[in-house]
Amino acid sequence: LAKTTQPISMDSYEGQEVNITCSHNNIATNDYITWYQQFPSQGPRFIIQGYKTKVTNEVASLFIPADRKSSTLSLPRVSLSDTAVYYCLVGDIRNQGGKLIFGQGTELSVKP
Amino acid sequence: EPEVTQTPSHQVTQMGQEVILRCVPISNHLYFYWYRQILGQKVEFLVSFYNNEISEKSEIFDDQFSVERPDGSNFTLKIRSTKLEDSAMYFCASSELTLSGNTIYFGEGSWLTVV
Repeated sequence: LAKTTQPISMDSYEGQEVNITCSHNNIATNDYITWYQQFPSQGPRFIIQGYKTKVTNEVASLFIPADRKSSTLSLPRVSLSDTAVYYCLVGDIRNQGGKLIFGQGTELSVKP
Repeated sequence: EPEVTQTPSHQVTQMGQEVILRCVPISNHLYFYWYRQILGQKVEFLVSFYNNEISEKSEIFDDQFSVERPDGSNFTLKIRSTKLEDSAMYFCASSELTLSGNTIYFGEGSWLTVV
């Protein structure tokens, strides 16, 4: 399973764009990159998933360079309610028996 | 939006008692999971379940744990004889795992406190 490295914490202000980068140097060919958000005492919430290039949904964008050794989650115009822990996970759950390996994540703090 | 639902949201139990945590996965999903998170620690994989049998389990999932799909909608985690260290938030999750569906969706969790 690919190991990921992401900043432990980040601070931002309301209305700013936040970019959280995750390194995954040993990503395998079949691995997907998935980001989850977790609020205290709640379950991880799926944000976005990608394999290569750029993916965008109503919540975020995910940028993946050609070598796929890193990825960047972009949150446009954050609000106070975006304060949470963000996890980057890399793998192919179809071949892992559904086993996701969570790291410590990035604790994002959005200030007014 | 379809979601995974879990009951109870919070349970307090005495050490040595049996606990059953219940989950209703997303309706068209066929793969089911339990994860747990001890307070202040990482989310940890416990077990995955497909076609009425365990697909994968972690070393945490020892003989005191069991999972079952008793009917067409529920998925349960049983802890036979709880220990203090079983106190944690337990998350149920489900997925489709089709060629294009590679995403696991989590419930809101059941907070278990063993005293």
